[in-house]
Amino acid sequence: DAGITQSPRHKVTETGTPVTLRCHQTENHRYMYWYRQDPGHGLRLIHYSYGVKDTDKGEVSDGYSVSRSKTEDFLLTLESATSSQTSVYFCAISESGDVSPLHFGNGTRLTVT
Amino acid sequence: QKEVEQDPGPLSVPEGAIVSLNCTYSNSAFQYFMWYRQYSRKGPELLMYTYSSGNKEDGRFTAQVDKSSKYISLFIRDSQPSDSATYLCAMRETAAGNKLTFGGGTRVLVKP
Repeated sequence: DAGITQSPRHKVTETGTPVTLRCHQTENHRYMYWYRQDPGHGLRLIHYSYGVKDTDKGEVSDGYSVSRSKTEDFLLTLESATSSQTSVYFCAISESGDVSPLHFGNGTRLTVT
Repeated sequence: QKEVEQDPGPLSVPEGAIVSLNCTYSNSAFQYFMWYRQYSRKGPELLMYTYSSGNKEDGRFTAQVDKSSKYISLFIRDSQPSDSATYLCAMRETAAGNKLTFGGGTRVLVKP
């Protein structure tokens, strides 16, 4: 496995509470990504980062924010969790932003009640 | 309509059979095509990566791209129970960096 650790692996939270998911990599890759995976929708990009403090939105970014203060860490924050954000969240990394492949972590299963 | 369509399955085959998976897409700008394998409770792992049209073989796996039909395929020969997983196709445009568009995945079950 690529050196990607996601924490927590499972979380249950209530509607309206803030939630932060963490992705930690040991590969020193420049690019990091957050995806969500839902039945029938596959994986959809939430946000990505192309360097420390450099981030951009993906196709489903509403309700999410990200931060990257160090190369190895990429945080995803749900400011006020909603039931529609119940999902499995995957972090991915890549060496460059073009043809290098994505390597995924093992996901965080988030349930918003 | 989704940009990338993939039959969710499940696709059940006996051990040793050929598994045939496919995706159709609507965006003619897609140039890079990938297949990922995902085991239950795990992240996707890259199986095959192809550029533009043609075939690519890697061991028991063969990926085909037909851009004229907007259709890609993955074949698994001599399937094993360990091939039981969900297979996701993914693709991207040349100028889209590494922003991939995924299919929904096909669940495959190889029975001993």
